[in-house]
Parts: sequence; structure tokens; C-alpha cells
Amino acid sequence: EDKVVQSPLSLVVHEGDTVTLNCSYEVTNFRSLLWYKQEKKAPTFLFMLTSSGIEKKSGRLSSILDKKELFSILNITATQTGDSAIYLCAASNTGANSKLTFGKGITLSVRP
Amino acid sequence: NAGVMQNPRHLVRRRGQEARLRCSPVKGHSHVYWYRQLPEEGLKFMVYLQKENIIDESGMPKERFSAEFPKEGPSILRIQQVVRGDSAAYFCASSLQGMNTEAFFGQGTRLTVV
Repeated sequence: EDKVVQSPLSLVVHEGDTVTLNCSYEVTNFRSLLWYKQEKKAPTFLFMLTSSGIEKKSGRLSSILDKKELFSILNITATQTGDSAIYLCAASNTGANSKLTFGKGITLSVRP
Repeated sequence: NAGVMQNPRHLVRRRGQEARLRCSPVKGHSHVYWYRQLPEEGLKFMVYLQKENIIDESGMPKERFSAEFPKEGPSILRIQQVVRGDSAAYFCASSLQGMNTEAFFGQGTRLTVV
């Protein structure tokens, strides 16, 4: 059975701190690793990673994939209270029946 | 450009009633996915549909649950004879070309069974 494991499950930091969120996966016919941010309701897309070793950046957020060790990290630098959310990691598989397998999410709380 | 629209946002049903959850995908998207999120759990895949076809329903309980995505109109997730364990947030996502392209999620429907 495909599996995605995120750690830690929750994290409390202060504004300005840097955080690293971890995601490991075991997925048959793996294709991509995706990160989502879930604030109030709808998960919003952050990154899709398909190739190892290529860092993707968006402002203070960055992410990288290691397909040999089967994990990804999401880094957030200079955290702000608006970064407080649940961060979801998901893995997709190849093929016509491609679907996303999600981890349980990491609850990040950024305190002023 | 409207995103994925789900309604209702909140739905309360008594045990034994039927729940109908609707999802209108992003305009032009023909791939629709339904996920269920229980408290402190990740999103669990339920079913994947393309227009008028169920592609993968491996995550959907065999009994009481059904899904459709007709040629015209929204996708519907239907839960018959609801039980308390069905209480969850149900999310719909749509994509242009399957899950290897960006998928957009709706706001979800929070189903509460009393």
C-alpha cells in the first residue's frame, strides 16, 4: 500500500525562525511529490517536484526532492504568523489511474 | 475564473438519511477527485472520475457510497444511510490532465451526522 509519512506532526516556532518540514514516501510507480498549504479549508498548491536535487523556490519557501532516499523537505525561512497552517505532502503515481496519496500533515504554528 | 466550487459548505444529517455533496470543477477540467479528511488525518483518496466515467474507486467504501460526474452538471458524491462515522470534511479536486498536473481543491463540505 502506498504510504506518505510527514514529520514532525506539529511544530511551534517564533516569527523569524526557519523551519524544515519532512516528508518520506513509499509509492509504487512514483511520479511527483507535491506540497500543499491548508489554512482554513481548501489545500492550496505550493510545489510539485519531479526531479531529484532541483530546488524549487517561491519567496521564503523552498523545497527539494531526493528520489534515492525517498523524501522531500519544505523549508520556510523568516517565518511569519501568516505561515501558520497545516502543510500537506502528497505523492502521485504514474499511469492512467494516477492519484495523490497524502500524509497526515504538519501543523505549523508561528507565534509573534 | 472560478475555482473548484463545492456545496454545501456544511451539511448536517441524521443517522439513516442521505447526503449529497456537489462539486463543480474548474472550467475546462474533466478530471475530478474526491477525498475525505478525518480529524487529525490526512486527505484520503476516495474516487477519481472523468466525464461520465469512474476511473478509480478503490478508496470508496463498497456500500452506501457512490459518485458520478455526468456530462452536464457537477460531480456528486452520494452517501446513503449515513452513520456517525461518515462525519468528516469531503474535498473535491479537479485537474486538467490527471494528477500529474496541478490539482485545485475546493473549500470542502463538512458533513456532520447527528
